[in-house]
Amino acid sequence: AAGVIQSPRHLIKEKRETATLKCYPIPRHDTVYWYQQGPGQDPQFLISFYEKMQSDKGSIPDRFSAQQFSDYHSELNMSSLELGDSALYFCASSLRWVAGGPGEQYFGPGTRLTVT
Amino acid sequence: GQQLNQSPQSMFIQEGEDVSMNCTSSSIFNTWLWYKQDPGEGPVLLIALYKAGELTSNGRLTAQFGITRKDSFLNISASIPSDVGIYFCAGLIGNEKLTFGTGTRLTIIP
Repeated sequence: AAGVIQSPRHLIKEKRETATLKCYPIPRHDTVYWYQQGPGQDPQFLISFYEKMQSDKGSIPDRFSAQQFSDYHSELNMSSLELGDSALYFCASSLRWVAGGPGEQYFGPGTRLTVT
Repeated sequence: GQQLNQSPQSMFIQEGEDVSMNCTSSSIFNTWLWYKQDPGEGPVLLIALYKAGELTSNGRLTAQFGITRKDSFLNISASIPSDVGIYFCAGLIGNEKLTFGTGTRLTIIP
């Protein structure tokens, strides 16, 4: 079965540079979520989109922005990168509703961002 | 914000032993999920629970959604080497963001 695709898998940037992470959800999934996981930490929710509209927002810095496109893929744009932005960034996708309940979130393999 | 306390933080067991871990919250969740994460990889969904009191199995894994909706446990029976990894519980309200537990690192001693 098709899974969530993320690119790139690894990214190295310098401080103050910008980065763009891409996510391709499981086909027919209508909701995309972005999470950040620091070393030894649990994933922290950043932002989500349903049908190309932002649906929820977590602890996402103002330097970050994201959007979901007409083909449902999503991009996380990160500007003025800081050393503390080094982390694993995961995208997850789901169907918003399944048989009256929330769809399960399936995670991609992640993008490891290293800021030097 | 909401916090999920997961215990134990780490476990060292021998192959073939059973494993039990749990998650507690100060808030009510409508859905509990359990994920396993290998180093550098994305979390993989193991079990999803949707109703208070629900007991669900997936092979050697069994999980329960607590009656109070503030806790959940995961049991793994007859552990094998590929069970090594970090297990996360996650709570969901509605259909939005997941709130993750602090994780349980499982190590199997040869």
